[in-house]
Amino acid sequence: AQSVTQLGSHVSVSEGALVLLRCNYSSSVPPYLFWYVQYPNQGLQLLLKYTTGATLVKGINGFEAEFKKSETSFHLTKPSAHMSDAAEYFCAVSDRYGGSQGNLIFGKGTKLSVKP
Amino acid sequence: NAGVTQTPKFRVLKTGQSMTLLCAQDMNHEYMYWYRQDPGMGLRLIHYSVGEGTTAKGEVPDGYNVSRLKKQNFLLGLESAAPSQTSVYFCARRREYGYTFGSGTRLTVV
Repeated sequence: AQSVTQLGSHVSVSEGALVLLRCNYSSSVPPYLFWYVQYPNQGLQLLLKYTTGATLVKGINGFEAEFKKSETSFHLTKPSAHMSDAAEYFCAVSDRYGGSQGNLIFGKGTKLSVKP
Repeated sequence: NAGVTQTPKFRVLKTGQSMTLLCAQDMNHEYMYWYRQDPGMGLRLIHYSVGEGTTAKGEVPDGYNVSRLKKQNFLLGLESAAPSQTSVYFCARRREYGYTFGSGTRLTVV
């Protein structure tokens, strides 16, 4: 069964610093991987996703993630943090061959704080 | 989150009361899902549906029931609400590997 582990429930960076949010997955089949962002009291917004093809995926708001099969990782990065990036971020894997018909399996989330 | 509408957006229930959360999509996509979000737990699957008239249990189904009488609508019911069901509930639809989420329902059970 697929699973997702996000390392670090809280990450704090200074404005302008590199953002690195870690995600490792467990899957017996090639995974489809996603990153979502949630601003306070709002819904989920897709940042980026990996299905097939290029392993470096670019998303919205300057974020990108790299699928590394050998490390079973899909870490999210942004070169320079902005105050508006403060939010909670969720990594997810699609259970596309499992019993729940393509359900998204989420990590527990990482709250990103950006210090001025 | 155009495409998936959840009602209501907020609700406070007393323990033992019942209610139904509605999820409506503006397309005819087969796959729909109900999740709950709790602090530090991410989103967890409650029930899902692969088409009209079909539903199945997810990871945390206890205390909930669902129905999909029309393809556009996926209803989540709480027959006898408990404080442990205080949560934010999200509905989603899937077309291939594109997911659309509703804006959520914040439910408090007192």
